[in-house]
Amino acid sequence: AQKVTQAQTEISVVEKEDVTLDCVYETRDTTYYLFWYKQPPSGELVFLIRRNSFDEQNEISGRYSWNFQKSTSSFNFTITASQVVDSAVYFCALSEANYGQNFVFGPGTRLSVLP
Amino acid sequence: KAGVTQTPRYLIKTRGQQVTLSCSPISGHRSVSWYQQTPGQGLQFLFEYFSETQRNKGNFPGRFSGRQFSNSRSEMNVSTLELGDSALYLCASSLYIAGEEETQYFGPGTRLLVL
Repeated sequence: AQKVTQAQTEISVVEKEDVTLDCVYETRDTTYYLFWYKQPPSGELVFLIRRNSFDEQNEISGRYSWNFQKSTSSFNFTITASQVVDSAVYFCALSEANYGQNFVFGPGTRLSVLP
Repeated sequence: KAGVTQTPRYLIKTRGQQVTLSCSPISGHRSVSWYQQTPGQGLQFLFEYFSETQRNKGNFPGRFSGRQFSNSRSEMNVSTLELGDSALYLCASSLYIAGEEETQYFGPGTRLLVL
């Protein structure tokens, strides 16, 4: 069965600090997709990234970066120079080859960025 | 460009009733996905529709159903409501181009309370 673990329940950092959110997944499939989502206090989910299992290249988008390592089944997310607006719950998710098939979310990590 | 809209935003029902939620995707988007979020179970995938066809379904009982119309608008229906169906129901749309990374856009959600 597929599973996503986000061991960090809550993280607090001071503004401008870098922070890494961990995501470890389990799957028997060779083809799968990994996702990160952000849910700010407003409640609306925001899609951040979708990465397929064949692309292990790290991704950088502004202050956000993702490190995908199949060897450790991890897809970690780093925010550089965090800002108060980054305060949110972040979810990592996994789906099988066909988008949406057996789609599983992690429990989420609540990030608080303090001014 | 208008975002994803969901109606109604809030809903109160009693056990045993049925409910229909609506989602209008961004113009031109053909894929619509539904998710349920509860404090106990977290985020769970319900189903995904593409061009009026259900492509994927999460692990939910048959009381949960949905459909997509030719204009890509989607509805989900829950029959014989149970207290545990109280949740935030989120809808997301995406353009979906096979083989390409794509962005999902989420609506504000419908908060359902079952009494």
